[in-house]
Amino acid sequence: SQQGEEDPQALSIQEGENATMNCSYKTSINNLQWYRQNSGRGLVHLILIRSNEREKHSGRLRVTLDTSKKSSSLLITASRAADTASYFCATVSRNRDDKIIFGKGTRLHILP
Amino acid sequence: EADIYQTPRYLVIGTGKKITLECSQTMGHDKMYWYQQDPGMELHLIHYSYGVNSTEKGDLSSESTVSRIRTEHFPLTLESARPSHTSQYLCASSGGGLTVTGELFFGEGSRLTVL
Repeated sequence: SQQGEEDPQALSIQEGENATMNCSYKTSINNLQWYRQNSGRGLVHLILIRSNEREKHSGRLRVTLDTSKKSSSLLITASRAADTASYFCATVSRNRDDKIIFGKGTRLHILP
Repeated sequence: EADIYQTPRYLVIGTGKKITLECSQTMGHDKMYWYQQDPGMELHLIHYSYGVNSTEKGDLSSESTVSRIRTEHFPLTLESARPSHTSQYLCASSGGGLTVTGELFFGEGSRLTVL
């Protein structure tokens, strides 16, 4: 069964606005990762946050992690047309370092 | 830039044909994975490998098989393709334990259509 559940399933915003996507998971994790997938392509790793971290930044990306609520959020600031893609959260279990489980994804569309 | 390659990118074949999807990586990664993904949907792990001569089935049952004879090569084979096998197949690799190194590197995918 899938671990992560992203919310919303789809999001459309105007270029320049901020986009926020949320992810909830069920079991104890070692780390949580976010990936981007352009239509018809493979996934690209964006950022990783470990269970002992609460917030992480990378360029226009900001990720938060709340292990008490088993949830994470990905914020993309000052969105651009090129940010149009699907975004997946993925979790690595504390006890299994050989598997990463992906959520269902949020489809983000940036309107010009 | 990820050094992991999948061929073919697109394949349209008839029912009953045998197909092999190729996946190669030049990063020397021990761990490799195959995911199946329908358009706009989640990824399902169907096979993974810890290294040469090691293969395991994933969470989603699949009629495909895999082999790992060389570190850099992890092909997926369908002996007799059916329309239900129509999907995108994504290959990925990682350089170590995911609790240590974290990220997966993905190929561009192979989109299979079985008529």
